[in-house]
This record gives sequence, structure tokens and C-alpha cells, in this order.
Amino acid sequence: GQQVMQIPQYQHVQEGEDFTTYCNSSTTLSNIQWYKQRPGGHPVFLIQLVKSGEVKKQKRLTFQFGEAKKNSSLHITATQTTDVGTYFCAGGTGNQFYFGTGTSLTVIP
Amino acid sequence: GAVVSQHPSRVICKSGTSVKIECRSLDFQATTMFWYRQFPKQSLMLMATSNEGSKATYEQGVEKDKFLINHASLTLSTLTVTSAHPEDSSFYICSALWGGKETQYFGPGTRLLVL
Repeated sequence: GQQVMQIPQYQHVQEGEDFTTYCNSSTTLSNIQWYKQRPGGHPVFLIQLVKSGEVKKQKRLTFQFGEAKKNSSLHITATQTTDVGTYFCAGGTGNQFYFGTGTSLTVIP
Repeated sequence: GAVVSQHPSRVICKSGTSVKIECRSLDFQATTMFWYRQFPKQSLMLMATSNEGSKATYEQGVEKDKFLINHASLTLSTLTVTSAHPEDSSFYICSALWGGKETQYFGPGTRLLVL
């Protein structure tokens, strides 16, 4: 079945350092979405990528979708304490979305 | 826009009772809603896809008679956990698909504790 893996599972960084999480799917995806979930909260939609090789930026966040549409990455430049949370990718195939295993980010002030 | 509500936010019930959770899209119509389950520090596990006016599609391993889903209108889907047991205790989150944007918006979740 559909599997979406993310690495690393946990990441601790000093405030100001960069952070990257990688998402890999066992199958080709129609699109990929990224979500952020704060402790105790629910996932909040960040962005959707649809095109092969697509790159999108949101301030300090850069999202990439691989050429084969099977992998994606989220890069945060100069992390801040407000970036703390778990970042999930969700691979879309048709009308269903399968969440990755998530990367929990801790930012040390 | 794109607000999804869930009710209740927290529920504690006795083993053997049934619990109904409502998921509403407040400012858009959602022909498709999803129900997820999340254990502490784990990812979201898709339980079922709820389609308005038709039967829900359950993921492998999810008992349809245990987790009853009804999507009676374009803005409401309900999940009923029947004869709940302590192992059903979890965080249940719904999402509604904004079809035009292929984007799903999540409800705030329901924390279920079965004693």
C-alpha cells in the first residue's frame, strides 16, 4: 500500500540554524502537501505542490517537489522558536492523502 | 475562509458506550471529508474517506461496523465510535476537502478517552 516516509524523525537545532525535512513516497504522487502541527494542536495547511520539479517559497520556508513526483523537501532558513512543531508531508493520489511519518522540530533558543 | 469545526473537542466515556463526533465545514461545501486517528507523537492515520450521499470508504484494517461514518450533507460528516473500549482512546481529526483547490482543511480534533 501507499507509504510516505519522512526523515529525520526528530531534529533539534539552535535558533538561527537551518532545517530540512525530506519526504519520500513509494509511489508517484499527484501532488504533495505540507502541514505544520504544533504540540496539542491540529495540522495546519502550509502549501501544495503539483508540478514535477516545482519549487515554492514562503518567507523562510522553501518547498520542493521532485522531478519524479515521489519525493519532496521542506527547508527552513534561520529557524526561529516559532518554527517549533511537527512537519508532515501528505502525498496525494487521486482524492486521497497519505501522511508522512512527520519530523518533529525543536528549536533551542 | 476554509474553517472546519469539530464537536466535541474532548469526551470521556465509559467502556461499552458509543460516542458521536461531528465534523462541519463552516464556510464551504465539502463533498469529501476524511477521518484520521492520531496517537501521541505519531503521524495521522487515515481511517476513512467520507463522501456526501454515499457510503464511506474505509482503509484496510479499520472496522466499518466499529467506526460508523455518515456524510448526510455537504457540510457535515459524523463519526460514531460504537461500543468504545479503552484502546479506542485517541485523537480523532477530520478534514474537509476544498475540491476546487484540492486542499484539505483540518478540524481542531477530538480527544477521546474511554475508561
